[in-house]
Amino acid sequence: GENVEQHPSTLSVQEGDSAVIKCTYSDSASNYFPWYKQELGKRPQLIIDIRSNVGEKKDQRIAVTLNKTAKHFSLHITETQPEDSAVYFCAVRYGQNFVFGPGTRLSVLP
Amino acid sequence: DTGVSQDPRHKITKRGQNVTFRCDPISEHNRLYWYRQTLGQGPEFLTYFQNEAQLEKSRLLSDRFSAERPKGSFSTLEIQRTEQGDSAMYLCASSPPGADENIQYFGAGTRLSVL
Repeated sequence: GENVEQHPSTLSVQEGDSAVIKCTYSDSASNYFPWYKQELGKRPQLIIDIRSNVGEKKDQRIAVTLNKTAKHFSLHITETQPEDSAVYFCAVRYGQNFVFGPGTRLSVLP
Repeated sequence: DTGVSQDPRHKITKRGQNVTFRCDPISEHNRLYWYRQTLGQGPEFLTYFQNEAQLEKSRLLSDRFSAERPKGSFSTLEIQRTEQGDSAMYLCASSPPGADENIQYFGAGTRLSVL
């Protein structure tokens, strides 16, 4: 089956700095890669996604890059703000379901 | 329609009891997923429906777990003879048909505590 790893497990950055979270996956047939943000006690919410025919996608301060050959994709958050503090999950579409990474707890320090 | 709704939000039960959770997806979303999430982990796939058909079920799902979506709208997840290891947040998500079929909208979850 698909195996998704995510690093780091925790990340602390100063407000205004950039944050990068990386996910690796095992199934080369996977073709859809979303990132979810989950604030404490709340539901996961999609923040950005990328399909396998694209190498990079940006949405304001958030970007995702995909390296299909190496089977990894990364979330980039620039100009971090305190409200970016949350747990971030990557996911990989595997057949009809999605396999999630274990999460990265991001803390943005004021 | 304000999103995916789940009921109840919290459930406390004694070991050995049966519990049932309900999920109401966003209108016209034909795909519905159930996940289990434990503290410090990502959501773990349990099962998937397209309309009323249950198309995929995790190998991790024991025979004590069953899910239905009888009319292709709301879904129920039942756990029989609950065990302490079943304590977790149970999340439901739905997706629309068409080009956005990959985009999942999650409910707030049902937190199960088995005593």
